[in-house]
Amino acid sequence: DTGVSQDPRHKITKRGQNVTFRCDPISEHNRLYWYRQTLGQGPEFLTYFQNEAQLEKSRLLSDRFSAERPKGSFSTLEIQRTEQGDSAMYLCASSPSEAGNTGELFFGEGSRLTVL
Amino acid sequence: AQSVAQPEDQVNVAEGNPLTVKCTYSVSGNPYLFWYVQYPNRGLQFLLKYITGDNLVKGSYGFEAEFNKSQTSFHLKKPSALVSDSALYFCAVRDMDSNYQLIWGAGTKLIIKP
Repeated sequence: DTGVSQDPRHKITKRGQNVTFRCDPISEHNRLYWYRQTLGQGPEFLTYFQNEAQLEKSRLLSDRFSAERPKGSFSTLEIQRTEQGDSAMYLCASSPSEAGNTGELFFGEGSRLTVL
Repeated sequence: AQSVAQPEDQVNVAEGNPLTVKCTYSVSGNPYLFWYVQYPNRGLQFLLKYITGDNLVKGSYGFEAEFNKSQTSFHLKKPSALVSDSALYFCAVRDMDSNYQLIWGAGTKLIIKP
């Protein structure tokens, strides 16, 4: 399968713990996005990378959230000191530059976070 | 503020009947509009987009959408529904204040009954 892959698919953690999610985009895609989705809502933009550069971050992304894409390939999203409100599906998407400019994104299946 | 609205939480259609999933938007300037579908336990999949040109846009799986500037709508349609079309459908618009963000509707659950 050469689509976007995310790991783990489901993470259950206790409040206050740190969690990290990984995203492997489609190999030739230089743009990578993180979104968050809660039940009954559409995705909310978190952050965006072009190659290794983090070009945009949402105001939703508090100081407890950090994302990296060190070599311009895979990306990690870390949440420190998790809170129950962080429980959501974390979606990763990628796109080539041209498609990314118009909005066609390729999504992974998501990583579901449950904070107890 | 830019926004997208999907006024129906759920749409029920009998198999073989035409279906419509509604979407309205509010943006400054010319909109870039999209429809995505989310099947159970699957990632979001791109269906179709409107950037410019013909108001009727054709996409994957036999879906099409009609852009109506005067009504600020971008409704998703299909002439004959299949049970396999049952899924969650999201309308989105590109945030004109950002080159990369999409603003999403809350989604509409489409149920096709045999």
